[in-house]
Amino acid sequence: AQSVTQLDSQVPVFEEAPVELRCNYSSSVSVYLFWYVQYPNQGLQLLLKYLSGSTLVKGINGFEAEFNKSQTSFHLRKPSVHISDTAEYFCAVSGSNSGYALNFGKGTSLLVTP
Amino acid sequence: EAQVTQNPRYLITVTGKKLTVTCSQNMNHEYMSWYRQDPGLGLRQIYYSMNVEVTDKGDVPEGYKVSRKEKRNFPLILESPSPNQTSLYFCASTSRRGVEGYTFGSGTRLTVV
Repeated sequence: AQSVTQLDSQVPVFEEAPVELRCNYSSSVSVYLFWYVQYPNQGLQLLLKYLSGSTLVKGINGFEAEFNKSQTSFHLRKPSVHISDTAEYFCAVSGSNSGYALNFGKGTSLLVTP
Repeated sequence: EAQVTQNPRYLITVTGKKLTVTCSQNMNHEYMSWYRQDPGLGLRQIYYSMNVEVTDKGDVPEGYKVSRKEKRNFPLILESPSPNQTSLYFCASTSRRGVEGYTFGSGTRLTVV
């Protein structure tokens, strides 16, 4: 099966600064990778996904992520964050040997302050 | 509107009283899954289903049951709830081996006293 490690549990950042949320995965098969966002008291919303092809993936709200197979990483980036980006961010992986079920990391809490 | 609908949104119950959380999707998805979310632990998979009458255990299946008699519905059953099942539960669905990404319901916050 696959697993995901989110390296930072909390990331504080000032408004308009760049941010990177780190995610590493492990798997013995080819994987699909996802980033989800959870705003306070809400469900999960898909930010972006990597299935194959170009390693740089662009998502909603100005976020992007880069798949690095050699480093088994899928870090999420945004060049300039807003207060409204304050949320919990989850990296997730799925693969053919687990019924394509999603395995989530423990989450990174992004706190954007003025 | 394409969506996953969970009910109820909030539930407080007592230890040992059987309950069912319903989940329904209107996207004709083959794959459905239940997760629980706990602080510091992220989301952990309880059970998943690859199609009608096909279900399998996830990472934390103890104390839970599921059924998939129809493609659109995937109820989560707690036969004898205990306080350690107090959690936020999410149902999710996807098609095409997950390439679309899962669509999540709004969540059910369960408290067992």
